[in-house]
Amino acid sequence: SAVISQKPSRDICQRGTSLTIQCQVDSQVTMMFWYRQQPGQSLTLIATANQGSEATYESGFVIDKFPISRPNLTFSTLTVSNMSPEDSSIYLCSVTNQETQYFGPGTRLLVL
Amino acid sequence: EDQVTQSPEALRLQEGESSSLNCSYTVSGLRGLFWYRQDPGKGPEFLFTLYSAGEEKEKERLKATLTKKESFLHITAPKPEDSATYLCAVQDNAGNNRKLIWGLGTSLAVNP
Repeated sequence: SAVISQKPSRDICQRGTSLTIQCQVDSQVTMMFWYRQQPGQSLTLIATANQGSEATYESGFVIDKFPISRPNLTFSTLTVSNMSPEDSSIYLCSVTNQETQYFGPGTRLLVL
Repeated sequence: EDQVTQSPEALRLQEGESSSLNCSYTVSGLRGLFWYRQDPGKGPEFLFTLYSAGEEKEKERLKATLTKKESFLHITAPKPEDSATYLCAVQDNAGNNRKLIWGLGTSLAVNP
């Protein structure tokens, strides 16, 4: 398995501002993922963060809105830019270890 | 198109009352089916991976089974601490895409 931590665990932000979420893993991993989980909806993949190359974004998500950094094999950040109330959600970091995805505790974001 | 449907949406059991959760899936070729448990305010916790029809896996009071069209998560003599949302996801074996397709989950409440 993998031990994943996220910061912050929760935040309340004003619309128009940006928030950067950090994800730290206790071992080196090739692939890291960022998900969004909105109330009543299934997990939605935002992007795959690969070390040494640009993130790969899923349909409906763009780099200008959700810029991602992956400076090394144990760390990644997701920024939610120019936030609106519709961005209120839980954001989850995930890594793959031996074909299984493991998740961090999540960041609960409320945008007012 | 790959799809995952979980039923029921919510289930309330008395302690000791066994039951099953269903995960029906449509995928061109199954690479793996995954079960997770999610407690409120936390990230999904990995439970099982199933790869081929007929496969079964057990962990304490939980047993997961797989057919070519669906998976069941059997809960035997549940306890209140089994209360959580149970999520099912599938991974297609097409190409190098490791993306998981998620169901909406079954919210389980076990009353003492």
